[in-house]
Amino acid sequence: QEQLVESGGGVVQPGRSLRLSCAASGFPFSVYGMHWVRQAPGKGLEWVAVTSSDGSIKKYVDSVKGRFTISRDNSKNTLYLQMNSLRPEDTAVYYCAKASRLIFGVPSGMDIWGQGTTVTVSS
Amino acid sequence: DIVMSQSPLSLPVTPGEPASISCRSSQSLLYSNGHNYLDWYLQKPGQSPQLLIYLGSNRASGVPDRFSGSGSGTDFTLEISRVETDDVGVYYCIQALQTPYTFGQGTKLEIK
Repeated sequence: QEQLVESGGGVVQPGRSLRLSCAASGFPFSVYGMHWVRQAPGKGLEWVAVTSSDGSIKKYVDSVKGRFTISRDNSKNTLYLQMNSLRPEDTAVYYCAKASRLIFGVPSGMDIWGQGTTVTVSS
Repeated sequence: DIVMSQSPLSLPVTPGEPASISCRSSQSLLYSNGHNYLDWYLQKPGQSPQLLIYLGSNRASGVPDRFSGSGSGTDFTLEISRVETDDVGVYYCIQALQTPYTFGQGTKLEIK
C-alpha cells in the first residue's frame, strides 16, 4: 500500500528554521518526483515545491524561493523540506505528495498524499 | 503564473441530485500531446486531498463513475451525476501544465 508520512512540524519563531520529512513506503520512491503542498488555516491549497526523481530538478513557488529547499534521499525513501527565515505567513499544514507524471521533464500531478504536518510560525 | 478560477464557491445540493463545478484557467492547459493538464481533487472534512480526475477527464482508481470531468483548453467542468452524503467537502481544480502549479479557490459542497 502506497503511503506517505510527514513529520517535523511544530511551533517556531519568525526568522528561525525547520526541516520537514516525508517517509515513503509501498512504491519505488526513487522512480517518482515528489511535491510539497501547503494549506494555511481555513484556506485553500497552495503548491510549494517539486523535485524530480533523482533530485536534479527543483521548482518553487515565488513566495518561498531562496528560503525553502526541497531535497530527497532515495536510499532512505525520504523527502525533505528545509525551511529557513520562516514568516508568520508560512503557517500551514504541509503535505507531501507523489507525482504521477512528467510535463516538460518536470514532475506533475499528485496521486498520493500524506496526512500532513502542521507548522506554526509565531513569536 | 496561470490563474485558476472556480465557480460556484459554495454548492448546496440535495442527495440524489446532480452537481456541477466550473474551473477556468487564464491560459490554455491543452498540451501538444492532446492532453489537458487539469486535475480535480476532493478534500473531505479533516482529511488530506484525494485525486478524483486527472488530465481533464480520467477518473482516478477507485473513484465512482458518478464523477466525471470534461472540458478543454481553458474551460473545465466536474460533474457529479447523483450526489451522496459522502461527497461533502471542498473540491479543487489544479493546473498541472507549468510551475508554479496553481489551484482554484475551492468549491465547498454541502448537503441541503
